[in-house]
Amino acid sequence: EAQVTQNPRYLITVTGKKLTVTCSQNMNHEYMSWYRQDPGLGLRQIYYSMNVEVTDKGDVPEGYKVSRKEKRNFPLILESPSPNQTSLYFCASSQLHFGAGLTYEQYFGPGTRLTVT
Amino acid sequence: QQPVQSPQAVILREGEDAVINCSSSKALYSVHWYRQKHGEAPVFLMILLKGGEQKGHEKISASFNEKKQQSSLYLTASQLSYSGTYFCGTGGGADGLTFGKGTHLIIQP
Repeated sequence: EAQVTQNPRYLITVTGKKLTVTCSQNMNHEYMSWYRQDPGLGLRQIYYSMNVEVTDKGDVPEGYKVSRKEKRNFPLILESPSPNQTSLYFCASSQLHFGAGLTYEQYFGPGTRLTVT
Repeated sequence: QQPVQSPQAVILREGEDAVINCSSSKALYSVHWYRQKHGEAPVFLMILLKGGEQKGHEKISASFNEKKQQSSLYLTASQLSYSGTYFCGTGGGADGLTFGKGTHLIIQP
């Protein structure tokens, strides 16, 4: 089954304690992204990756790091979490397909609800 | 820059129609529509790639006006299962999507 998995699904932590949220996809997609979702603000992109070892900042990258050492994995790292990073986080993967027509679909993971106290 | 969605929220009775609009200040080459149920991940509905293109998915269809940099999502004869938050997204290349803030749709029996 094609899917994007994230772990953990829920996390409560304290300010300053480093954490990593893992993301893995089994579709061999080249493109992966991290988003955060906050009430009234929609989904905002944190970082994205075009391929292994190729990452770039999205709209709200401050306080986050990512890495893409393998095609299937794209972990999100918070070196020193702060309360304003309390949010719902989604990992997504996507691929452009050139077949009968150009198609593009982004698959989202189930989300990670992070609370920083 | 985030596309702008309107309205922010809609409350309908089952069987009524709804229109959700998405506009951008930047040139649009594609518009993507997603639906998110409460507590779940967004799910892809459709992508529109050409100006004036219309696509359909069950009783949900969409149009894309490249010149006006706008897209509209049409929900016909709404069902309870249509409830959720609808997002439009622009972009769609290697750098992912930029989403609007969403439109909350509540369908009442």
